[in-house]
Amino acid sequence: TQLLEQSPQFLSIQEGENLTVYCNSSSVFSSLQWYRQEPGEGPVLLVTVVTGGEVKKLKRLTFQFGDARKDSSLHITAAQTGDTGLYLCAGLQGAQKLVFGQGTRLTINP
Amino acid sequence: ETGVTQTPRHLVMGMTNKKSLKCEQHLGHNAMYWYKQSAKKPLELMFVYSLEERVENNSVPSRFSPECPNSSHLFLHLHTLQPEDSALYLCASSQGTGPNTGELFFGEGSRLTVL
Repeated sequence: TQLLEQSPQFLSIQEGENLTVYCNSSSVFSSLQWYRQEPGEGPVLLVTVVTGGEVKKLKRLTFQFGDARKDSSLHITAAQTGDTGLYLCAGLQGAQKLVFGQGTRLTINP
Repeated sequence: ETGVTQTPRHLVMGMTNKKSLKCEQHLGHNAMYWYKQSAKKPLELMFVYSLEERVENNSVPSRFSPECPNSSHLFLHLHTLQPEDSALYLCASSQGTGPNTGELFFGEGSRLTVL
């Protein structure tokens, strides 16, 4: 059983569509990070959410941290081909243990 | 120079070979990490170094041996690996490893194939 479950594992949609991916756990995290990893590259941090219920926006990307700080979602509006990649969530447990989900592989088709 | 650089980008080795992966960070960070990324599995933390001292070793087999000669360089020495060790090995750095662990800066990874 994985500590952080990401869903869906794979998502392929057309350019211009909206989508939401999820990061769920039964554990509480002090903060949660979202990374995007493009093919042949390492993950790059998109955002960190800290407060329960917090919403952060990064252009067409909206990140939300659950009220209980156990889950998070990433919503992309009007997806573009440049959004293609592996999206990873990572929760900070306790003092300094960062736990990663298995990722959602997103493909945006032109 | 990019923030975190890893060499080689690709490595193919036999089970009896000895090889090393190298990581260098140009960000002035205090902590460096080795992660293993396998298909359909979460990133697995292998080792953490803070100010050149190993602070975490997550039950990694002894055929993987890390070395951190200074705060900018990190090596992963490989010896008698198994085919299941084939994966993308990612190096990362961060400003610190304390309670407010911030952003991890990753290298591009070393793709390892063990034959």
